[in-house]
Amino acid sequence: DTGVSQNPRHKITKRGQNVTFRCDPISEHNRLYWYRQTLGQGPEFLTYFQNEAQLEKSRLLSDRFSAERPKGSFSTLEIQRTEQGDSAMYLCASSGLLREGYTFGSGTRLTVV
Amino acid sequence: TQLLEQSPQFLSIQEGENLTVYCNSSSVFSSLQWYRQEPGEGPVLLVTVVTGGEVKKLKRLTFQFGDARKDSSLHITAAQPGDTGLYLCAGAESGYSTLTFGKGTMLLVSP
Repeated sequence: DTGVSQNPRHKITKRGQNVTFRCDPISEHNRLYWYRQTLGQGPEFLTYFQNEAQLEKSRLLSDRFSAERPKGSFSTLEIQRTEQGDSAMYLCASSGLLREGYTFGSGTRLTVV
Repeated sequence: TQLLEQSPQFLSIQEGENLTVYCNSSSVFSSLQWYRQEPGEGPVLLVTVVTGGEVKKLKRLTFQFGDARKDSSLHITAAQPGDTGLYLCAGAESGYSTLTFGKGTMLLVSP
């Protein structure tokens, strides 16, 4: 297994456009997480899946954001009608037991112009 | 809402110096983890501590979990330029399924 893979690594989009990011977790991990990180901040929780079920979603998450994990494998995060404030690094992580820690991908850097 | 405060926010030292960074909260955590993140990459897990008072050593890094499981520290002995990065602590409260991260301590070690 090559770890957690995220695509694309970088995305530049115009304000108002929709974007979709993909995350391929470690195959043995049934838990998958999306976080967002801006400069000078730690990762901020967005949403969490156990297998294909989305079990938790941050109250800070706008309804322009949606995430899926069909068949409990890869996951996608879509942002509709992007705004400049959406510019950030979007991190995906997977884990087995929580206390074993997360394995993060390299992230997708989104820039909204 | 769980809140993890890390200090200092930024630390710039010379190679060979020792340093300690701190992670504090008013919440009790069932486990606490430390990660290191390099620019443009995702965080990488360094250690997990689960027992109050626990001390773990990873080469030149020493991690301690407070007796009350509300705080933790990371001590680096004889820092090297390769230690440069953002050090993040993350806690999991009992009954929660996700980690809450602090804002991190940015460490810069100059040769």
